[in-house]
Amino acid sequence: ETGVTQTPRHLVMGMTNKKSLKCEQHLGHNAMYWYKQSAKKPLELMFVYNFKEQTENNSVPSRFSPECPNSSHLFLHLHTLQPEDSALYLCASSQDLLVAGYTDTQYFGPGTRLTVL
Amino acid sequence: TQLLEQSPQFLSIQEGENLTVYCNSSSVFSSLQWYRQEPGEGPVLLVTVVTGGEVKKLKRLTFQFGDARKDSSLHITAAQPGDTGLYLCAGAAETSGSRLTFGEGTQLTVNP
Repeated sequence: ETGVTQTPRHLVMGMTNKKSLKCEQHLGHNAMYWYKQSAKKPLELMFVYNFKEQTENNSVPSRFSPECPNSSHLFLHLHTLQPEDSALYLCASSQDLLVAGYTDTQYFGPGTRLTVL
Repeated sequence: TQLLEQSPQFLSIQEGENLTVYCNSSSVFSSLQWYRQEPGEGPVLLVTVVTGGEVKKLKRLTFQFGDARKDSSLHITAAQPGDTGLYLCAGAAETSGSRLTFGEGTQLTVNP
């Protein structure tokens, strides 16, 4: 138990569906992240939020829409996804934002295994 | 763009054996982290190394950061089935802002 929870743990959706992934951290952290983990590929950073404000969008397609209503909650809204979007989506949080090579410990949630049919 | 290459990609050994996993790059990193990820879970941080040549030990695991801060290794002594998992290295560079660069991972299986 890392203090970061994600729901649902598994999700199967069609290409025309709209769904949302939820992440909640109970650690009092200020920064939250969305990552995509595909087989045989490095973890890909998707979005970064610091104090509810988006600070990075790593050229993610607009069919992925993040939302951060407060420092404890992070959502990833999904619509008209493609089969190649099937992956494990990981949420992480850290006390402060990683800046200029200074590493702060990131705590990961268990992920949502997404399958797009 | 910084890249981290891990080797080997897959490793299957018997309980009690020793092993080393490598993480290499042509880029310099300010710090490097090692994570372990078990099935159905997210990565969990094992260690952070920040100084060139630094060696850190965590029970049977020994982590080393290269002198030039471009590479790192993880050595496990007398591996146990509980060490099974995906080992990921991740580097932070001064020029990468809030971004960690991850390697593809080494999938380790320790057979009893």
